[in-house]
Amino acid sequence: QAGLTQPPSVSKGLRQTATLTCTGNSNNVGNQGAAWLQQHQGHPPKLLSSRNNNRPSEISERFSASRSGNTASLTITGLQPEDEADYYCASWDSSLSAWVFGGGTKLTVL
Amino acid sequence: EVQLVESGGGLVQPGGSLRLSCAASGFTFGDYEMHWVRQAPGKGLEWVACITQDGSAKYYVASVKGRFTISRDNTKNSLYLQTNSLRADDAAVYYCAKDFDSWGQGTPVTVSS
Repeated sequence: QAGLTQPPSVSKGLRQTATLTCTGNSNNVGNQGAAWLQQHQGHPPKLLSSRNNNRPSEISERFSASRSGNTASLTITGLQPEDEADYYCASWDSSLSAWVFGGGTKLTVL
Repeated sequence: EVQLVESGGGLVQPGGSLRLSCAASGFTFGDYEMHWVRQAPGKGLEWVACITQDGSAKYYVASVKGRFTISRDNTKNSLYLQTNSLRADDAAVYYCAKDFDSWGQGTPVTVSS
C-alpha cells in the first residue's frame, strides 16, 4: 500500500524556520489534503493540523500547514528545543479507500 | 477532557488472536469516526483501520484485511479491534484515535513463539 513521501530528517538551528514536506498524488494529498502530527519519543502523536489546514486551538501559531498540488507542507517558525520530534503527514486515499501515512521526518533543532 | 484508554494487548504466538479495546470518555463517542493506528518498535506510524460514527462503514490497510475486524459499541463508548492470524510483523503499539485529534497511550502487542 503506497504511502506518502517525507524526507527522513531535517536539521535547523534554534529560532530558525523549518519547512517539512509530504508528497502524495491526486488520489490523496492533491484532493484530500493532509493532516500533520507531532510525536515525541515515547509519547503518542499529537495533531498539529487537520486535513483542511485547521490548527487545534492548543497548538502554537508557530505551526502552519499548506498545500500546493500533491505536496503538503508544515512550516515551523522560531524553532525551539521542544520542537525536536518526529513529524508525520496523513491523508485519505480515495483510490485505496484507506488512510496513508508518510514515513515521518525527524526534526533536529541545533 | 477527552480520554482514550486502550487495553487487551500482550504476548501472543504466531497465528494467535487478541481483542483490543479502547474506552472513550469526555466526548460524544457516537459523533466521531474512530481509528486504530500502530507503531512497530523504532518505526513510523501505520494506519490500521477506521470505522464510521454508526459503524456502517469500515476500512482497513491492505495488510490486515481478512484478519482484523474493527467494531464499536456506542452504548458503551468503546472501540474494538479483533486481531486474528497474528504475524511477527503485526507486533507494535496499537493506538486508538478520535479523528486523529485525540490519542490513547497505546497497548503493546508482541507476536512471538
